[in-house]
Amino acid sequence: NAGVTQTPKFQVLKTGQSMTLQCAQDMNHEYMSWYRQDPGMGLRLIHYSVGAGITDQGEVPNGYNVSRSTTEDFPLRLLSAAPSQTSVYFCASQGPAAEETQYFGPGTRLLVL
Amino acid sequence: GEDVEQSLFLSVREGDSSVINCTYTDSSSTYLYWYKQEPGAGLQLLTYIFSNMDMKQDQRLTVLLNKKDKHLSLRIADTQTGDSAIYFCAESIGGYQKVTFGIGRKLQVIP
Repeated sequence: NAGVTQTPKFQVLKTGQSMTLQCAQDMNHEYMSWYRQDPGMGLRLIHYSVGAGITDQGEVPNGYNVSRSTTEDFPLRLLSAAPSQTSVYFCASQGPAAEETQYFGPGTRLLVL
Repeated sequence: GEDVEQSLFLSVREGDSSVINCTYTDSSSTYLYWYKQEPGAGLQLLTYIFSNMDMKQDQRLTVLLNKKDKHLSLRIADTQTGDSAIYFCAESIGGYQKVTFGIGRKLQVIP
């Protein structure tokens, strides 16, 4: 199993550009989520999904869209990038029980100029 | 949302014990987790404790939970240089696996 994969690993955008951060998992997990990690602020939940076709907002959803057309994929879209979205983005997936571990991807480092 | 508080830095000598503390504010949490993040990598779950437990030991790791004070700690015995990382406490606060993370504590192990 590849686990959770994310692409790209690093991206530079100009303000106003759009892009999609890709996330995929091969563990047949229903639950997937996106976090952003900023210095001194830990991880903050952006959006999450409890299964194909179902998404919901986390703590900091503004400026981001998600969709879940398949169990495997959970892309995160930035429609109009802003410097405040400079961060490291992590995708995670988890099995159905709360004690199961969240598997994190390696992260995407995004710089918005 | 609820807050999970952690202070930032800890430096210990190799072979000593490390204790990393965390304070959370939501008494309705069900599971409390400790994650480790090595440089340039995602988070890895180290251990977790269910909210009706006071202590859990897993090899070099001991988790203590004080629900009255909403205090969670992680003790690492015989700390090794490979333990150098950022450690996050986290809790599930309801809903479907919604997890709230603390800001992280950087552990530096001095050889």
